[in-house]
Amino acid sequence: NAGVTQTPKFQVLKTGQSMTLQCAQDMNHNSMYWYRQDPGMGLRLIYYSASEGTTDKGEVPNGYNVSRLNKREFSLRLESAAPSQTSVYFCATRDRHYEQYFGPGTRLTVT
Amino acid sequence: GEDVEQSLFLSVREGDSSVINCTYTDSSSTYLYWYKQEPGAGLQLLTYIFSNMDMKQDQRLTVLLNKKDKHLSLRIADTQTGDSAIYFCAERVGGATNKLIFGTGTLLAVQP
Repeated sequence: NAGVTQTPKFQVLKTGQSMTLQCAQDMNHNSMYWYRQDPGMGLRLIYYSASEGTTDKGEVPNGYNVSRLNKREFSLRLESAAPSQTSVYFCATRDRHYEQYFGPGTRLTVT
Repeated sequence: GEDVEQSLFLSVREGDSSVINCTYTDSSSTYLYWYKQEPGAGLQLLTYIFSNMDMKQDQRLTVLLNKKDKHLSLRIADTQTGDSAIYFCAERVGGATNKLIFGTGTLLAVQP
């Protein structure tokens, strides 16, 4: 089992460009999350999806959109990237015992 | 409001004990967690404690919870160089959504 996978691992964008970060899980979990990690700020929740077909805003949703394509996949889209979105992005899932499992992260730089 | 605070850095010698501290503000937290992040990797759950417990021990790890002071600590006995990582505490709030509020992380540096 791969667990939680994320693509790409690294990305450099110019201001104003768009991109989609992909996340997939093979653990059959209903809940999925997107976080960003910035130095000195811990992890902050961007969006989450409690089940297929539902999404909700987290703590810092501005500038992002998400799509829960099916139970396995939860994507995060930046429509017009800004330097403030330079960060490391983590996808996570949650099991029925409320433990969260994290992907390896996507390191995004916006110039 | 919801806030979780940790000191940013801790340095210990190999073989010593490490104690990483965390304070939280939400008294309705049901579970509190410790995650470990190694360089270039995602977060991995180390251990957790339910809010009605004072202590939990798991091999070299001891978690202490002082609910009155909203203080959580992680003690690592016989710290090894492989324990060097960033350690995050997190509190679970918000019922069915399982929203986790993370601390800023403590970088543990183990000197040989």
